[in-house]
Amino acid sequence: DTGVSQDPRHKITKRGQNVTFRCDPISEHNRLYWYRQTLGQGPEFLTYFQNEAQLEKSRLLSDRFSAERPKGSFSTLEIQRTEQGDSAMYLCASSLLGLGRNEQFFGPGTRLTVL
Amino acid sequence: AQRVTQPEKLLSVFKGAPVELKCNYSYSGSPELFWYVQYSRQRLQLLLRHISRESIKGFTADLNKGETSFHLKKPFAQEEDSAMYYCAPGSARQLTFGSGTQLTVLP
Repeated sequence: DTGVSQDPRHKITKRGQNVTFRCDPISEHNRLYWYRQTLGQGPEFLTYFQNEAQLEKSRLLSDRFSAERPKGSFSTLEIQRTEQGDSAMYLCASSLLGLGRNEQFFGPGTRLTVL
Repeated sequence: AQRVTQPEKLLSVFKGAPVELKCNYSYSGSPELFWYVQYSRQRLQLLLRHISRESIKGFTADLNKGETSFHLKKPFAQEEDSAMYYCAPGSARQLTFGSGTQLTVLP
């Protein structure tokens, strides 16, 4: 499967714990995005990487959230001291710079439940 | 602030009937315009983008810059069109999604 993959697919944690999610983009894609989706809403943009550089961060991304893409390939999203309001589907997407397409390819998501 | 409004959360039509999913947006600059679709138990995927002016699965989208609307249309709905549809203006750096319209095509 050459699509975007995310791990884990589901995560249940207790309030106050730290969690980390991983995203593996399509191999040649140099752009990577994180979105968050809550029930009944569309995805909300969190952050954007071009290669290893984090070029955009939403105001939604509080200090408890940090994202990295150390070698310009896979990315991790860490949430520290989780709160119940962090419960959501976390989506990763990737795209290829150039060609004028700007089509984002989405992964299956990681569903986070904070108890 | 960027804002996308999809006024219908739920829309049901009969097979063979025309369907229109509405999208109004407020966005600084000149965004690219996309429609994404999510079929049951599948991941979010691109349906069409305005700049390519293509018709995908019989769907087209009309941009009205004056009204800042980007409505999705299909003349004859099929049962396999049942899905969640999201309007998403944006740029290469980020997309702003509407809250989505769940389309159900009845037999």
